[in-house]
Amino acid sequence: AAGVIQSPRHLIKEKRETATLKCYPIPRHDTVYWYQQGPGQDPQFLISFYEKMQSDKGSIPDRFSAQQFSDYHSELNMSSLELGDSALYFCASSVQGANYEQYFGPGTRLTVT
Amino acid sequence: AQKITQTQPGMFVQEKEAVTLDCTYDTSDPSYGLFWYKQPSSGEMIFLIYQGSYDQQNATEGRYSLNFQKARKSANLVISASQLGDSAMYFCAMSGGDGGSQGNLIFGKGTKLSVKP
Repeated sequence: AAGVIQSPRHLIKEKRETATLKCYPIPRHDTVYWYQQGPGQDPQFLISFYEKMQSDKGSIPDRFSAQQFSDYHSELNMSSLELGDSALYFCASSVQGANYEQYFGPGTRLTVT
Repeated sequence: AQKITQTQPGMFVQEKEAVTLDCTYDTSDPSYGLFWYKQPSSGEMIFLIYQGSYDQQNATEGRYSLNFQKARKSANLVISASQLGDSAMYFCAMSGGDGGSQGNLIFGKGTKLSVKP
């Protein structure tokens, strides 16, 4: 079965640079969630989209922005990167109204040096 | 505010034995969902099992079962016949709305399970 695809899988950036993470949800899933997991931490919800509209917002820094496109893929844009942004970034997808089927992608490991 | 508590930072279990990972939750919403995910050292988050707040029966998925005690606000994961490949971090998580629109998950701190041969 098709799963959530995230790219790139690994990314190394320097402080103050920008990064763009991409997420391709499971086919027919219309809702996308972004989570950030710091080293040794539990995942923290950043932001979610349903039908290309932002549906909920968590602890996402102002330096980050995201959007969902007409094909339902989503991008997380991160600017002015800081060392503390080094983390595993997960995208998850589900069908609106059936969030019990929330599946995670493999994650993008971002390292900021 | 919703909260998930996992009180066991680490657990050991002998191969082929059963193990229970504890999870308690706090919410004022009457409708919510409870999830368990497995995160091996490779980092991916693997969905294991789901329990809706209105489900009458405990959820089961193969060797995984969820011991849902609503009055105690607990949702413990039971893994039967442990295998070496079960060694991983296990996260309990909650969503607002039982299959509804509040799908973002709140996670506990996790329990690191180690299976001994």
